[in-house]
Amino acid sequence: AQSVTQLGSHVSVSEGALVLLRCNYSSSVPPYLFWYVQYPNQGLQLLLKYTSAATLVKGINGFEAEFKKSETSFHLTKPSAHMSDAAEYFCAVSVIQGAQKLVFGQGTRLTINP
Amino acid sequence: DAMVIQNPRYQVTQFGKPVTLSCSQTLNHNVMYWYQQKSSQAPKLLFHYYDKDFNNEADTPDNFQSRRPNTSFCFLDIRSPGLGDAAMYLCATSSDHPYEQYFGPGTRLTVT
Repeated sequence: AQSVTQLGSHVSVSEGALVLLRCNYSSSVPPYLFWYVQYPNQGLQLLLKYTSAATLVKGINGFEAEFKKSETSFHLTKPSAHMSDAAEYFCAVSVIQGAQKLVFGQGTRLTINP
Repeated sequence: DAMVIQNPRYQVTQFGKPVTLSCSQTLNHNVMYWYQQKSSQAPKLLFHYYDKDFNNEADTPDNFQSRRPNTSFCFLDIRSPGLGDAAMYLCATSSDHPYEQYFGPGTRLTVT
């Protein structure tokens, strides 16, 4: 069965510093992987997705993620944090059971210090 | 812009009083989902419609029902809300391909 583990429920970085949010997946088939961002009292917004094309995926707002099959990882990075990046981030793996379903990690709350 | 719309954004209901949340989409996606999200937790899938076919998650309480009268609209009915049903309810849509889900802004439900 597919599953996702996000290491660190809270991550705090300084403005301008590197952002690294960790995600490891478990999947018996080649996975589709996603990162979503959620701002307070809002829905989830897709940041980026991996669908078996390029292993380095670029998303919105300067974020990118690298799919590493050998490490079963899909970590999210941004070179320079901005105050507006403060939010909850969810990694998810896709499960196809008729329709597509998402299996989410538990989420990582990112705090940006001025 | 194509989007997923949820109304209302905030809903207050009384304990045991039926409530309906609505979702509409202009993406013409064939799949629509309802999630429940409690504070500091990941969204939990309640059920989804694949076209007209309703698919319930095994652990979704009977208190939760859904209707999809057409491609664009989907409703979540909570027959007898309890205090534990207070949460953010998220609607999402997807097509068969590509597989990403598009989420609405959510409805925050308060039960008094």
